[in-house]
Amino acid sequence: DAGVIQSPRHEVTEMGQEVTLRCKPISGHDYLFWYRQTMMRGLELLIYFNNNVPIDDSGMPEDRFSAKMPNASFSTLKIQPSEPRDSAVYFCASSFKVTEAFFGQGTRLTVV
Amino acid sequence: RKEVEQDPGPFNVPEGATVAFNCTYSNSASQSFFWYRQDCRKEPKLLMSVYSSGNEDGRFTAQLNRASQYISLLIRDSKLSDSATYLCVVNRGTGGFKTIFGAGTRLFVKA
Repeated sequence: DAGVIQSPRHEVTEMGQEVTLRCKPISGHDYLFWYRQTMMRGLELLIYFNNNVPIDDSGMPEDRFSAKMPNASFSTLKIQPSEPRDSAVYFCASSFKVTEAFFGQGTRLTVV
Repeated sequence: RKEVEQDPGPFNVPEGATVAFNCTYSNSASQSFFWYRQDCRKEPKLLMSVYSSGNEDGRFTAQLNRASQYISLLIRDSKLSDSATYLCVVNRGTGGFKTIFGAGTRLFVKA
């Protein structure tokens, strides 16, 4: 398996623009997680899905953030409109049941 | 207070040294525990799971103390390649399944 695949790897955008991050989890995994990592706040769980259903989105910072998982092999995290404070590395991870989470390589987002 | 707390370090140790990290968690309903390793500008990767009986993987030993709600990681005979950030991870199932990461402990091993 290729592992968790995220795209793009790097994204630079202007404040106010819409940003869409993409994730393909490992086949057969039933949990998918979106994390954000910054120097100040560390690794924060934004939202997670179980069998494509959003279970807990309490970590989503505000309404500008939304996430979808239309099927078992694809998820998106959207920020609209983006702000400079959204600059961070966004990781997607997947796992089978409550076990080890496998991370993608992350998307480094810079909002200028 | 954070649900999972770690000493951020950094720990600066010479090659060959033994170093130990501790991590405390506040939710007694936590069910499973892990140590992850994260290299600079890379994604976190599982280092080892932590079992109640303690477990060892080569130079690495992990311990869990449920009564005191802490887990530990011991690295023996440190190598330069051990330099990384070590993340304590706790899964809890009540109040909704959640994976909580500690902020990480930075380790630098020097020649």
